[in-house]
Amino acid sequence: DSGVTQTPKHLITATGQRVTLRCSPRSGDLSVYWYQQSLDQGLQFLIQYYNGEERAKGNILERFSAQQFPDLHSELNLSSLELGDSALYFCASSGTTGGKETQYFGPGTRLLVL
Amino acid sequence: QKEVEQDPGPLSVPEGAIVSLNCTYSNSAFQYFMWYRQYSRKGPELLMYTYSSGNKEDGRFTAQVDKSSKYISLFIRDSQPSDSATYLCAMTLSGNTPLVFGKGTRLSVIA
Repeated sequence: DSGVTQTPKHLITATGQRVTLRCSPRSGDLSVYWYQQSLDQGLQFLIQYYNGEERAKGNILERFSAQQFPDLHSELNLSSLELGDSALYFCASSGTTGGKETQYFGPGTRLLVL
Repeated sequence: QKEVEQDPGPLSVPEGAIVSLNCTYSNSAFQYFMWYRQYSRKGPELLMYTYSSGNKEDGRFTAQVDKSSKYISLFIRDSQPSDSATYLCAMTLSGNTPLVFGKGTRLSVIA
């Protein structure tokens, strides 16, 4: 168990809908990352937050947005969903362990858009 | 050319074999190199972490980084059926920056 929690585990929705994925980082970790994993693209970085502020942006679509709240949990909002958005969405948090900054991944949310 | 290339396999080996997995990359600015293991329907789990060039050993696992060739490897000795998983290489510029992943190699160790 990495200490990173994600809800829900599974999500089935229809095209055009909007969903919210939630992530709670490990205790004490200030950074949260969101990644998308699909069969053809592999694991791709979407966005990073550090202590409530956006730190870096990757291949995130304009239909997607995220935020990190004062208690450090984060939410990823996906809107106007398309079939191609079906994927595994992972959250990771990072902290320093043994002198190295390491990312720990949650169990993921499996999104299926029908 | 993708930033990180990794042979997706699948790779099937008998129990006890030595497994060699590798990745190549194009960005010479990468400093930190990792190997993650991902079991089916689970999140990636950190296996090995290496800074810059060199070797690192942890039990049956050895990670090697050759920055001059932009090539990293993971060796698994005495492979076990429980090692059956997808292995993802990952790298990053500095400590608190996003990871760039290879597509992963699916490994099956047959008893």
